[in-house]
Amino acid sequence: EAGVAQSPRYKIIEKRQSVAFWCNPISGHATLYWYQQILGQGPKLLIQFQNNGVVDDSQLPKDRFSAERLKGVDSTLKIQPAKLEDSAVYLCASSLVGEARYLNTEAFFGQGTRLTVV
Amino acid sequence: AQSVTQLDSHVSVSEGTPVLLRCNYSSSYSPSLFWYVQHPNKGLQLLLKYTSAATLVKGINGFEAEFKKSETSFHLTKPSAHMSDAAEYFCVVSEYGNKLVFGAGTILRVKS
Repeated sequence: EAGVAQSPRYKIIEKRQSVAFWCNPISGHATLYWYQQILGQGPKLLIQFQNNGVVDDSQLPKDRFSAERLKGVDSTLKIQPAKLEDSAVYLCASSLVGEARYLNTEAFFGQGTRLTVV
Repeated sequence: AQSVTQLDSHVSVSEGTPVLLRCNYSSSYSPSLFWYVQHPNKGLQLLLKYTSAATLVKGINGFEAEFKKSETSFHLTKPSAHMSDAAEYFCVVSEYGNKLVFGAGTILRVKS
């Protein structure tokens, strides 16, 4: 089966510019995640969708970050305006689980988008 | 709220010797636990998972992990390290609602 697709793979922008990342999850996967991985740290959850609804966005800096998942499939993550500390790898992942009561199937990760803010 | 502590940020072993990567977790419920591996410039790949079945879990590439509820641990082991095992390893805990929380990672170095 095809994996999680992300684009672009790399992006360099100046601070205060805006940027958008795209993610296409594995077909049929109801849950979609966006993670931020800063160099030397473990991935941190930014937002979790179930179908096209938000399950958890408690760690999303909502003053500058936004995300949407139209029709419960593809998703975009936007940063506007970017700051130097946003330099990181942005990982998208998906899992099959369609309802919260079904526990914990594994998540499949894309290769990520490496963002450098200068 | 769940959390994960990986006790070593770096582990160095010689090729052919055993590998031990330590992970402790905190969870309010019966968690699921995972180990993922990340090779340089590659995506995260699932090594193995524990979801309340057998406490000793076997994964890919000869890795295994044992869930010990009394110690709240889920350590990753491999009997004999290979050069290709050099990578960063993440312990992950998941609770109801499928939220995945990552540890800070352990970088494994394998010396020839």
